Amino acid sequence: GAVVSQHPSRVICKSGTSVKIECRSLDFQATTMFWYRQFPKQSLMLMATSNEGSKATYEQGVEKDKFLINHASLTLSTLTVTSAHPEDSSFYICSARARDRGYEQYFGPGTRLTVT
Amino acid sequence: QKEVEQDPGPLSVPEGAIVSLNCTYSNSAFQYFMWYRQYSRKGPELLMYTYSSGNKEDGRFTAQVDKSSKYISLFIRDSQPSDSATYLCAMTRGGGGNKLTFGTGTQLKVEL
Repeated sequence: GAVVSQHPSRVICKSGTSVKIECRSLDFQATTMFWYRQFPKQSLMLMATSNEGSKATYEQGVEKDKFLINHASLTLSTLTVTSAHPEDSSFYICSARARDRGYEQYFGPGTRLTVT
Repeated sequence: QKEVEQDPGPLSVPEGAIVSLNCTYSNSAFQYFMWYRQYSRKGPELLMYTYSSGNKEDGRFTAQVDKSSKYISLFIRDSQPSDSATYLCAMTRGGGGNKLTFGTGTQLKVEL
């Protein structure tokens, strides 16, 4: 159990367009979902935390108008990168914390975004 | 000083060796500790989850937490080439914040 999926796994978009990434908990209800960004050979950088039905909490330095997060249900969160630029190219990973478990997070497989 | 320190490696060991991976931390409020394995271009996979001090074993993996020394370890017995990956320690104090604080990750290579 505790499977998290992400879609798409890879996306290439043109500069100025928007991209939506979906994160789903497949076999559990997620009280909280997290969005991370990871650069090559670096650790995970938390972007924002979202709870179902409430606004996301963004980390310092993360533009909330650029990275829109919607946590529509206990199994789905979306991250929309608006007006993407080449510097937004990165590996985006979501994670989820299960309602009936401890503080561990279960991660999705990640989405590689390339902005041309 | 970072809250969590982890040697980035790379660490190279022969197949069958016992691997010891470690993290030190400075925040005494951390109570929940995790180890994740991450293969290249994949999301992290939870290996071990422990609360407070003590040992926990799961197959070839053993996690140790020493809160008095602010030191956690992951041991891998009978290491296999498929264990080659980056290992991340993570921890949290729990409560309303829920955020995990990660180490930088240790790159492990198990050679035939």
